[in-house]
Amino acid sequence: ETGVTQTPRHLVMGMTNKKSLKCEQHLGHNAMYWYKQSAKKPLELMFVYNFKEQTENNSVPSRFSPECPNSSHLFLHLHTLQPEDSALYLCASSQGVYNYEQYFGPGTRLTVT
Amino acid sequence: QKEVEQDPGPLSVPEGAIVSLNCTYSNSAFQYFMWYRQYSRKGPELLMYTYSSGNKEDGRFTAQVDKSSKYISLFIRDSQPSDSATYLCAMTATSGTYKYIFGTGTRLKVLA
Repeated sequence: ETGVTQTPRHLVMGMTNKKSLKCEQHLGHNAMYWYKQSAKKPLELMFVYNFKEQTENNSVPSRFSPECPNSSHLFLHLHTLQPEDSALYLCASSQGVYNYEQYFGPGTRLTVT
Repeated sequence: QKEVEQDPGPLSVPEGAIVSLNCTYSNSAFQYFMWYRQYSRKGPELLMYTYSSGNKEDGRFTAQVDKSSKYISLFIRDSQPSDSATYLCAMTATSGTYKYIFGTGTRLKVLA
């Protein structure tokens, strides 16, 4: 595997389910990010991790819980989501947390029913 | 006022046309200006970046930054159907609070 991978690519879940999104980067980067991409809206930065320590949490509801066990892996745990949480969730990584160049995964298309 | 404004399009042009994509911004602290390309069902990929003001050229692509007007542009010469994608501008400020802000993206369709 190369670059940034994300699994699953598609996820449908009910409002009472618990699920997790996984991201892995094979680039040797130190910083990882979760973004939410909704139609006709700019990418919304959710969480930033630098050397597996969380450095940013942009007022994300607690029903989204990130986990970064090491610099290569990032998870987003989901529980009791709302229909408005349906979106494309993108993971990205960069060499340093302030680096201008971010590498994105293909995203997980999440539908909350 | 949004920090970054970008016309969502869609923009349809014939093959071979020169395409101009633009963003305006309000925060004068932004220093790096990026253009990402996002194909359908894929994540964004960095196309070009510019530091501060000026022009940068890479093949058929030219990025321009005018900090005095808070305006950035991406020009695509001799556009091809393979250029059909959504183009996202992004900018970052590294002094003070970390910010990495994206535009909404402009959907471009190049017709063969």
